[in-house]
Amino acid sequence: DIVMTQSPDSLAVSLGERATINCKSSQTVLYSSNNKNYLAWYQQKPGQPPRVLISWASTRESGVPDRFSGSGSGTDFTLTISSLQGEDVAVYYCQQYHSTPYTFGQGTKLEIK
Amino acid sequence: QVQLVQSGAEVKKPGASVKVSCKASGYTFTNYGISWLRQAPGQGPEWMGWISGYDGNTIYAEKFQGRVSMTTDTSTNTAYMELRSLTSDDTAVYYCARDEGWLKWGQGTLVTVSS
Repeated sequence: DIVMTQSPDSLAVSLGERATINCKSSQTVLYSSNNKNYLAWYQQKPGQPPRVLISWASTRESGVPDRFSGSGSGTDFTLTISSLQGEDVAVYYCQQYHSTPYTFGQGTKLEIK
Repeated sequence: QVQLVQSGAEVKKPGASVKVSCKASGYTFTNYGISWLRQAPGQGPEWMGWISGYDGNTIYAEKFQGRVSMTTDTSTNTAYMELRSLTSDDTAVYYCARDEGWLKWGQGTLVTVSS
């Protein structure tokens, strides 16, 4: 199984500042045949299901604010929130869909400083 | 838009089975698979398996092999997940999700296992 490891476990950022969350996979999630990274990012607020923000490591889903961006390739990935808003308080997860079983990072809890 | 509506909360005794339903709308059911996941209190999501909306083929996570069954009814665009031999460790919110690799989730079904 591919192990996904996020850092940090929790993060406190001031409103309007940048937030950066990292995700590392134990094996590459890049398919060389199509040069795509099989990596998604989710946001989960209390009492709600996870909501997909980013697919293919860097493709923002429809309706997701452009302050959210994803980057990285192979085994190292980053989710960046360029200017933190109050509604961004949540737990964030990365997930690989390169191979089954799909696996998730342990989550990063983002709070306001 | 894509909508997945799951059945309501369940309370089960140890050793029992539970069957959760997931009714899909807003897309062509047979064009996508459905993954089932669960999330224990305070934990991250755990993938349980996948079923094709087209032909019912399944892939189960090794952890749940022999204890889980996933089925679909294409006449009603509904997917089902049955988990048997429940223990307290199975207490969790269970989710279905439309699977494109990345996942679009239903609202979740709380399953509580308690004597």
